Amino acid sequence: DQQVKQNSPSLSVQEGRISILNCDYTNSMFDYFLWYKKYPAEGPTFLISISSIKDKNEDGRFTVFLNKSAKHLSLHIVPSQPGDSAVYFCAASAVQTGANNLFFGTGTRLTVIP
Amino acid sequence: KAGVTQTPRYLIKTRGQQVTLSCSPISGHRSVSWYQQTPGQGLQFLFEYFSETQRNKGNFPGRFSGRQFSNSRSEMNVSTLELGDSALYLCASSPAPSGPYEQYFGPGTRLTVT
Repeated sequence: DQQVKQNSPSLSVQEGRISILNCDYTNSMFDYFLWYKKYPAEGPTFLISISSIKDKNEDGRFTVFLNKSAKHLSLHIVPSQPGDSAVYFCAASAVQTGANNLFFGTGTRLTVIP
Repeated sequence: KAGVTQTPRYLIKTRGQQVTLSCSPISGHRSVSWYQQTPGQGLQFLFEYFSETQRNKGNFPGRFSGRQFSNSRSEMNVSTLELGDSALYLCASSPAPSGPYEQYFGPGTRLTVT
């Protein structure tokens, strides 16, 4: 049972434009959300996170939005750069339960076209 | 700070054999988690260790086991290997067992079972 879902396996965007990656979750106990970027033959690299007490968090070109009522989060990358081309995973955890394990989506492959 | 290191990076084993993978967390990080990544299932949580104790376990058979040493280094063992165990095994560390904390991943060990 996939508790975190990324329904778009791939996304192509022109350089300089906005990339929007989406993620949905089903478990209402999730209260901490993260985005990771992964290149081939490397482990996932942490990008940005958001707690459920917030609805937005920004870090440079990356902004994560959380809509708790819709159980939906999104990652915006502005402006997109060719180096952003990678697989992006969203992940969630239920910190309130004391557990530290992450539940991952299946990933979205972003291609930024120069 | 040095990142999470995993050894070996690549491994080829035969069905029925056993394998041990090693992970050294970021200095000062005491929580170590293991994940399995396969094309079909994505990233799935195996188990987490803190202070040499398994705190949390995912939905994997008993053939998958692990341990943590007093210096926080961790090993993962898979016995009686099956073809379906072929995967990228990722180790992640975080400062403490409960967060919210980001988990930082190593490069992974690519296990191929023939």
